[in-house]
Order: sequence, then structure tokens, then C-alpha cells
Amino acid sequence: DAGVIQSPRHEVTEMGQEVTLRCKPISGHDYLFWYRQTMMRGLELLIYFNNNVPIDDSGMPEDRFSAKMPNASFSTLKIQPSEPRDSAVYFCASSLGISGANVLTFGAGSRLTVL
Amino acid sequence: DQQVKQNSPSLSVQEGRISILNCDYTNSMFDYFLWYKKYPAEGPTFLISISSIKDKNEDGRFTVFLNKSAKHLSLHIVPSQPGDSAVYFCAASAYLTGAGSYQLTFGKGTKLSVIP
Repeated sequence: DAGVIQSPRHEVTEMGQEVTLRCKPISGHDYLFWYRQTMMRGLELLIYFNNNVPIDDSGMPEDRFSAKMPNASFSTLKIQPSEPRDSAVYFCASSLGISGANVLTFGAGSRLTVL
Repeated sequence: DQQVKQNSPSLSVQEGRISILNCDYTNSMFDYFLWYKKYPAEGPTFLISISSIKDKNEDGRFTVFLNKSAKHLSLHIVPSQPGDSAVYFCAASAYLTGAGSYQLTFGKGTKLSVIP
């Protein structure tokens, strides 16, 4: 398996523009997570899905952020409009099952820079 | 309010010596603890975990110790190798049955540098 695939790897955009980050989880995994990494806050959970259904989006910073999972092999995280404070590395991760013993497999991340 | 804290942003160790990375937590509901390792330009990868019913788990050069009364865990790497140089994230998980939600909380990470 190729692992969790994220695109783009790097995105530079101007304030106010729409940003869409994409994720392909590992085939067969039933949970998908979106995390954001910043120096100040470390790794924060934004939202997670189970069988394509959003379960907990309490980590989504504000209405400018939205996430979808139209099918088991694809998810998007959208920021509209983007702001400089959204600059961070965004990680997608997937797992089979959910519990402390279930290991998350992370993608390589999408580094977003908003000017 | 950070529920999982890694108070040392960085640590330098000589090759061959022991590396000790520390992590403190505040939520007594956490029932599993994990360590992830992250190299630059890559995603975090799972390293080792421990259940809250244990106080030690070992995997090769890596050992995790859990002190529940102190709400503290540590990762020991013996002997340290240059390839261990990475950022190490401590994570803690809990399933919130009332909310029907799963919580996996990460610390901010500790950057380990192993000097040849």
C-alpha cells in the first residue's frame, strides 16, 4: 500500500483565496483524521470521520474551515477565505478502528503558507 | 489548556548514550499513551505505546515508562543512534463514551539530536 497520500505537498497563496487540501487514506481504513501542526500549538485534531461520516468537528477553528469525505478513498479540507494565521502543516491520517491501541498512519502533510 | 505537555522543546545526546524524553498529562481519563517520531518533511510515524494498566513497555532500544500517580510518562532510547534524530511526539487517547467521541491529544513535541 502507498500509505496515506496528501496533495498538494506545498501551497502558497494570498490572503482571501480559497485553499483545498486533499487526502487519500489507506484502503480499508474506516477512520480518517485531519490534524494541523503549528509551532505554538503543536499537533491539533481538527476533525475526524468514521465510514465517511464526520464524528467530531469541534477542533475546526471557525466557519472558514470545512471538511468533506464523499467516499471511502477521498477527503478534502477547505479553507475559504484563507488568512495568514492559517499557515501551518496540515496532516491527514487514517486508521482501522478507533481506540488507544489503533495506530494512526499519517500522510506526509501539506505545508500551507498564506501571504 | 494543554492536556499533554512536553516541556523540553529540544534535547541533545551523544551517540551511544541514553535519551530520555518526558511527557506529562492532566486528564485522568486517558487510557492509552503513544509515542510518534517525525522526520523533516514526513508525517509522524508510530513508535511505541503503553496501556494505562501497565507501567512499562519495551521494544528493542525503546522503552516507555508510565507513572500514573504522577501523570507522567517517559521514552528511553538506549543506545541512542544518529538516525534517532527526529521530533518525538507524546500522545494520549481516551474514548469519551458520553460524547461518542474519540480523543487523541498530542504534545508539542521534543526535537532530539543525537550527536555522532
